Amino acid sequence: DIQMTQSPSTLSASVGDRVIITCRASQSVSSWLAWYQQKAGKAPKLLIYQASTLQSGVPSRFSGSGSETEFTLTISSLQPDDFATYFCQQYGTYSRTFGQGTKVEIK
Amino acid sequence: EVQLLESGGGLVQPGGSLRLSCAASGFTFSDYAMSWVRQAPGKGLEWVSVVHSVGGSTKYADSVKGRFTISRDNSKNALYLQMNSLRAEDTAVYYCAKEARGSGTWELDYWGQGTLVTVSS
Repeated sequence: DIQMTQSPSTLSASVGDRVIITCRASQSVSSWLAWYQQKAGKAPKLLIYQASTLQSGVPSRFSGSGSETEFTLTISSLQPDDFATYFCQQYGTYSRTFGQGTKVEIK
Repeated sequence: EVQLLESGGGLVQPGGSLRLSCAASGFTFSDYAMSWVRQAPGKGLEWVSVVHSVGGSTKYADSVKGRFTISRDNSKNALYLQMNSLRAEDTAVYYCAKEARGSGTWELDYWGQGTLVTVSS
């Protein structure tokens, strides 16, 4: 299975900050990479797919980039509603795998 | 509006069985592949299984292969997960999720609210 490693595991930030989360794949997944946001006790929500395509209805402050094995999720100006845990997921193979998650906390 | 509603979770003893259901609405169910994803308490997400729309082909994570069976009933807009030989490590919230396409491997664009399965004596 392809291993997905996110960094950092926890991130403390303030409203208005620019936030960058990194996801690395153990082998190339081309651009078959998605990002999800999960709030406590809730289901994950799709933010970005195919590495950089914004899901309909997701604010434009979220953006994704990267290919092959290195990917980033950027929140250009952190908002109160953005404090949550973020997961990357590769779907380059049928055995899709997720990163371990990055928790974005209030500083 | 896409809605996915899971049911069937609960407490089961090790070695026991449980059948999860997911009722789908708001989209043409038969056109899309559907997956189950689980999340152990306080842990990350683990993809469990997928069933494609066309032909109903299935795939499983190695951790559940041979114990879990995914199926769908397009006439009822329903997805199922039959879980046998349950182990303590199967304890998790199980999410039903819609794939973005009918076959192949795609992002999960809609998720249900989840149902908790607890395997304990």
